[in-house]
Amino acid sequence: EAGVTQSPTHLIKTRGQQATLRCSPISGHTSVYWYQQALGLGLQFLLWYDEGEERNRGNFPPRFSGRQFPNYSSELNVNALELEDSALYLCASSPGLLNTGELFFGEGSRLTVL
Amino acid sequence: QKEVEQDPGPLSVPEGAIVSLNCTYSNSAFQYFMWYRQYSRKGPELLMYTYSSGNKEDGRFTAQVDKSSKYISLFIRDSQPSDSATYLCAMKENSSASKIIFGSGTRLSIRP
Repeated sequence: EAGVTQSPTHLIKTRGQQATLRCSPISGHTSVYWYQQALGLGLQFLLWYDEGEERNRGNFPPRFSGRQFPNYSSELNVNALELEDSALYLCASSPGLLNTGELFFGEGSRLTVL
Repeated sequence: QKEVEQDPGPLSVPEGAIVSLNCTYSNSAFQYFMWYRQYSRKGPELLMYTYSSGNKEDGRFTAQVDKSSKYISLFIRDSQPSDSATYLCAMKENSSASKIIFGSGTRLSIRP
């Protein structure tokens, strides 16, 4: 069974550009989570989608947005990129709302902003 | 104050030693407590999961939760070089809409 897959693996952008990251959850999982992992800061919660709806959002500016598609895949958009947006963006999935904390992570998309 | 505090390390111990990793937290509503392991250039994977207070053992790993002190621990017995990784604690309230909050991670190195 395929795990969580993310694309692209690496992405290089310049300040002010937009970045789009994509995630496919494990088959049967309806919840998708996005986390930012910057150097030395651990995993910072960005967004959580379930059944196509945004369930919770972290303390990030509105230029971080996303959506979940009917097939439960998801994309994260970052507009007006800033240097500090350089980080590993991790996507995780879980079976649904009653998740007790077990998340299945992808290997991440590394975004570099120059 | 961060909701979850974790010493970033790095922590270096000899093979066979007992390792103790810890996190403190401020939100008394946390009910689910997890430990994730993250190898270099990989996504985190769930290692241990505990609900509310108490201990849980799985092979060489023991997770402890002390809700009165808002303190959780992960012990690794007979540590192996393959245990070298970053260990992240994570916590969640008992609500279907609550997000999972991670600590910043402790980088552990086991010397052969």
